[in-house]
Amino acid sequence: DIQMTQSPSSLSASVGDRVTITCQASQDISNYLNWYQQKPGKAPKLLIYDASNLETGVPSRFSGSGSGTDFTFTISSLQPEDIATYYCQQYDNLPPSFGQGTKLEIK
Amino acid sequence: EVQLVQSGAEVKKPGESLKISCKGSGYSFTSYWIGWVRQMPGKGLEWMGIIYPGDSDTRYSPSFQGQVTISADKSISTAYLQWSSLKASDTAMYYCVRPMVRGVIPTSFDYWGQGTLVTVSS
Repeated sequence: DIQMTQSPSSLSASVGDRVTITCQASQDISNYLNWYQQKPGKAPKLLIYDASNLETGVPSRFSGSGSGTDFTFTISSLQPEDIATYYCQQYDNLPPSFGQGTKLEIK
Repeated sequence: EVQLVQSGAEVKKPGESLKISCKGSGYSFTSYWIGWVRQMPGKGLEWMGIIYPGDSDTRYSPSFQGQVTISADKSISTAYLQWSSLKASDTAMYYCVRPMVRGVIPTSFDYWGQGTLVTVSS
């Protein structure tokens, strides 16, 4: 199975800050990576697919980059409604697997 | 509009059986894979498996093979997740998902149900 390692596990930032989360795969997964947002008590929501493509309706302050084993998720200007846990997910091989999550809080 | 509506929360004892459901609407139920994702309390997301209701082709994560059964009734557009003998460690939120699929590999999990909380306690 492919292991996905996210860092940091938690992050505290101020409104307006640029926030970056990284995700590392245990083997080359090309660009077969998605990012999800999960707000407390809610189901996850797909934000970015294929490493860098924004899902329809997702604000442009969210972006993703990377390929191979190293990926980055960025919020260009943190908003209060972005408080959530973020997960990366690979789909290069069965079983698809998720990172352990990054909990984002407002400072 | 695609919707996945799951059955309500369950409280069960160890050793009991359980079947939870997920009704799909707003799309052709037999033309898309549908599956399940587990989230244990305070933990991350784990893909359990998927089924293609059109022909009942089913794929499981090795971690869940033999532990649960995924099925579907296409006449009522409903998928199921079933346990024959629950354990305390099955306590979790279970999400129904409709993924995009490449071959038999779920790629993105585009649509999610609201979740069914299963609590197993003596």
